[in-house]
Amino acid sequence: GENVEQHPSTLSVQEGDSAVIKCTYSDSASNYFPWYKQELGKGPQLIIDIRSNVGEKKDQRIAVTLNKTAKHFSLHITETQPEDSAVYFCAASKGAPGGSYIPTFGRGTSLIVHP
Amino acid sequence: DVKVTQSSRYLVKRTGEKVFLECVQDMDHENMFWYRQDPGLGLRLIYFSYDVKMKEKGDIPEGYSVSREKKERFSLILESASTNQTSMYLCASRLPGRGGELFFGEGSRLTVL
Repeated sequence: GENVEQHPSTLSVQEGDSAVIKCTYSDSASNYFPWYKQELGKGPQLIIDIRSNVGEKKDQRIAVTLNKTAKHFSLHITETQPEDSAVYFCAASKGAPGGSYIPTFGRGTSLIVHP
Repeated sequence: DVKVTQSSRYLVKRTGEKVFLECVQDMDHENMFWYRQDPGLGLRLIYFSYDVKMKEKGDIPEGYSVSREKKERFSLILESASTNQTSMYLCASRLPGRGGELFFGEGSRLTVL
């Protein structure tokens, strides 16, 4: 099955710095790569996603890049703010029974932004 | 707004008890999922259901079963709870198709003594 590796497990930055979280995947059939943010006491929430026909996608301070050849993708957060502090999960997704795509998640990165 | 509601935020059960975790979504989503979240292990898929009465095993189904009798409700059942099932359980729902956003509930933290 799919294996998703995520690094680092913990990332501590100063407010205003950039943060980068990296993930690798093993199955070349995966073609959808979402990123989720989980704040304390809440369920994960989608913040950005990318499909395999696109190399980069941006949404304000957040960007995701995908290198299909190397099977890795990254989340970039610029001008970090204390409210960016959370656990971030990457995932890789491919087809499954019933036509659904089942994501395999990385182990998560705890991002701490110091004021 | 999509709402995924997990009936119990915190549960404490004893070893050997039967445990039901209930999840209800209000957006008519076909797909529903149960994940287990443990520190350092991320989110691991227990079971998913792509439609009513349909279910598929995920990566860690041992010790669990599920029920999907109605589209909006997906139940996770621990037939005989064990201490190694102490964890956070997350339910999610989604429209079917090529990828697409998972909508998660806030989680049920289960402690088995």
